[in-house]
Amino acid sequence: GAVVSQHPSRVICKSGTSVKIECRSLDFQATTMFWYRQFPKQSLMLMATSNEGSKATYEQGVEKDKFLINHASLTLSTLTVTSAHPEDSSFYICSAGQGTEAFFGQGTRLTVV
Amino acid sequence: AQSVTQPDIHITVSEGASLELRCNYSYGATPYLFWYVQSPGQGLQLLLKYFSGDTLVQGIKGFEAEFKRSQSSFNLRKPSVHWSDAAEYFCAVGPTGFQKLVFGTGTRLLVSP
Repeated sequence: GAVVSQHPSRVICKSGTSVKIECRSLDFQATTMFWYRQFPKQSLMLMATSNEGSKATYEQGVEKDKFLINHASLTLSTLTVTSAHPEDSSFYICSAGQGTEAFFGQGTRLTVV
Repeated sequence: AQSVTQPDIHITVSEGASLELRCNYSYGATPYLFWYVQSPGQGLQLLLKYFSGDTLVQGIKGFEAEFKRSQSSFNLRKPSVHWSDAAEYFCAVGPTGFQKLVFGTGTRLLVSP
C-alpha cells in the first residue's frame, strides 16, 4: 500500500514556542490530507482538511490561528502548533487518501512542558 | 450527524479463542465503514473496509467483519486470536473512501496466555 510518513515521531517543546509537524505522501500525490488529534485513551478527532494550494478547512472548535496548516505541494502538508501550551500536548496523526483508502502516518507525540 | 459507538473499552481474550469487537454507527446514508488497528505509539493500519456488495468482508491478519444494515452494526471478528493481536482497534465511518473519517472511541484488546 501507499506510505505516509510523519516527522518527527516525538517532540518536546517549551510552553510558548511553536512546533512544526510534517506529513509526506512518499509514493503518491495527495491533493488532500487530513490532520487528526488523539487525546490519551480517546479516539481520533478530525482537526482539519489540508488542501494543496489553498486554505485548510478546519473543523468546528479548532483554532485556525493556533494550528497552522500549509499544503504547499502534492506530497507535503505541515501542521504548526503555534505558541504551544501544555493542553496542546497530544498525539497528532495525518492521513492521505489514494483510491478509496486512507493511509495514516505513524503519528507525532507532542509534549509541551 | 455521523457517530460511531464502540461499547467495549477493554476486552480480554485468551490466546486461541475467538474474538468479536462491536461497532454501531449512525449515518444518514449508506456509509463507508472501516476497521483500523493501532499499536502503542503508532499510526493506524487498515484491517478491512466495507463500501458495498457482500456484507461479509475479509481483511488482513485473519480478520473479518459483517455489515448489518438493520442493526447499524459492523462487528469485527477473528476465529482464533494471537498474542500479536493485542492492540487498540478503531471502527470508523466516512462519507467517501478516505475523507473526514469519524472514529469510535476504540476497544483495547488484551490477549492472555
